[in-house]
Amino acid sequence: KNEVEQSPQNLTAQEGEFITINCSYSVGISALHWLQQHPGGGIVSLFMLSSGKKKHGRLIATINIQEKHSSLHITASHPRDSAVYICAVNYGGSQGNLIFGKGTKLSVKP
Amino acid sequence: DGGITQSPKYLFRKEGQNVTLSCEQNLNHDAMYWYRQDPGQGLRLIYYSQIVNDFQKGDIAEGYSVSREKKESFPLTVTSAQKNPTAFYLCASSITVGGGQYFGPGTRLTVT
Repeated sequence: KNEVEQSPQNLTAQEGEFITINCSYSVGISALHWLQQHPGGGIVSLFMLSSGKKKHGRLIATINIQEKHSSLHITASHPRDSAVYICAVNYGGSQGNLIFGKGTKLSVKP
Repeated sequence: DGGITQSPKYLFRKEGQNVTLSCEQNLNHDAMYWYRQDPGQGLRLIYYSQIVNDFQKGDIAEGYSVSREKKESFPLTVTSAQKNPTAFYLCASSITVGGGQYFGPGTRLTVT
């Protein structure tokens, strides 16, 4: 069974801290996505990557294809970063649909 | 502004009634998707459509039906056959299947 595992499940940080959320998957993929879900429920796509590293503002996503592992880093965290962060992977094939992790709930305290 | 709209945000129905959730996109995307989210679980794919007049079952299609008569629209009907319909439903689209997906704001359905 193809699985996507995220850790930690819950994370509480103080404002300004460096945050890392991890994602591991079980088989080869064509792409990995990091998504952000705010308390209202809407989801925003943060990154889509298949190799290396991407950076957008204070967010950095890395992927190690050999180790089947990706990390999402947040530098200088802020309370507005509080959200659920979801990792999802494309296993390729004709379907192209995503397999989702259960999410990491991040709370950043002022 | 381009995007995906889902309506309504909250929906309440009595058990035994069919209900249709709306999803519209003006991104000119070919592919559209419906996901269900339950507490403590990852999103699960209900149906997806690669192109107009085509749709395929996802992992949890039982009790649901869809149509794709127009590129912009991909409505989801939750039928009375769905045993546990209360959930948060998310619609998404992508340029083609496998591409980065844009998500709508979601509809929270409560069936009592």
